Amino acid sequence: AQSVAQPEDQVNVAEGNPLTVKCTYSVSGNPYLFWYVQYPNRGLQFLLKYITGDNLVKGSYGFEAEFNKSQTSFHLKKPSALVSDSALYFCAVRERSNYQLIWGAGTKLIIKP
Amino acid sequence: DTAVSQTPKYLVTQMGNDKSIKCEQNLGHDTMYWYKQDSKKFLKIMFSYNNKELIINETVPNRFSPKSPDKAHLNLHINSLELGDSAVYFCASSQLTSGVTYNEQFFGPGTRLTVL
Repeated sequence: AQSVAQPEDQVNVAEGNPLTVKCTYSVSGNPYLFWYVQYPNRGLQFLLKYITGDNLVKGSYGFEAEFNKSQTSFHLKKPSALVSDSALYFCAVRERSNYQLIWGAGTKLIIKP
Repeated sequence: DTAVSQTPKYLVTQMGNDKSIKCEQNLGHDTMYWYKQDSKKFLKIMFSYNNKELIINETVPNRFSPKSPDKAHLNLHINSLELGDSAVYFCASSQLTSGVTYNEQFFGPGTRLTVL
C-alpha cells in the first residue's frame, strides 16, 4: 500500500541551529515528492518539490530537501532555523501516473529563541 | 489578489442542518480539490474535479456532495450535519494539463466547521 511516514510528531530546534524534518515513503516507481508548510490558522503553502535530476532541491524561505532513492526518503532541511519557521510541515508523494497525493501526518516544528 | 478563496471562513451550525462551502480560484487551474483536516491535523482528500469532471472520489459519506459549475469553482454541500463533521475544510487547485501531475497545489485559507 502507498504510504508516507513522518516519524516525528514534533521537532524542537534552537534558533540558529540546523533543522531536519524527516519523510520516508512507500510508493511504486519514481514518484514526485513535495513539502508543504502550514502556519497556525492558515492554509497549506507549497515549499518545494522533487521531480527529477539533482537530488538536492531548494525551495522557499531557505528550505531545501534531499531525495534519497535507496532509502526512499525526502528529508526537509534548513541550515539555520528561525523562530518564524515554527509551523506544521507536511510531506506528500504522488505516483507519476496518479492524480492523488499521498500525505504524511505532519510534523510540528518548534524553533526556540 | 486572493488565489484560492473560500466562504465562509467560519461556520457554526446545529446537527441535522444542511450547509454549503464555496470555493473559487483565479489561477486559471483546471483541477480543484476538497480536503478535510481533523483536530489532529490529519489531511484527507475528499474529492477532486478536473475540468468539471470528478476524478477523485474518496470514501466519504454520501451526505457530502461536491458541485463544480465551472473550472474556477468547486462547492461542497453537506446534508444532515453530524458532530463528526466538525473540522477544517480546505479547497485547493492545481494544473493537470496533459496529465502533468507534478504541479503543486494551491490551498485556500480553510473553512472551520463546527457542528453543535
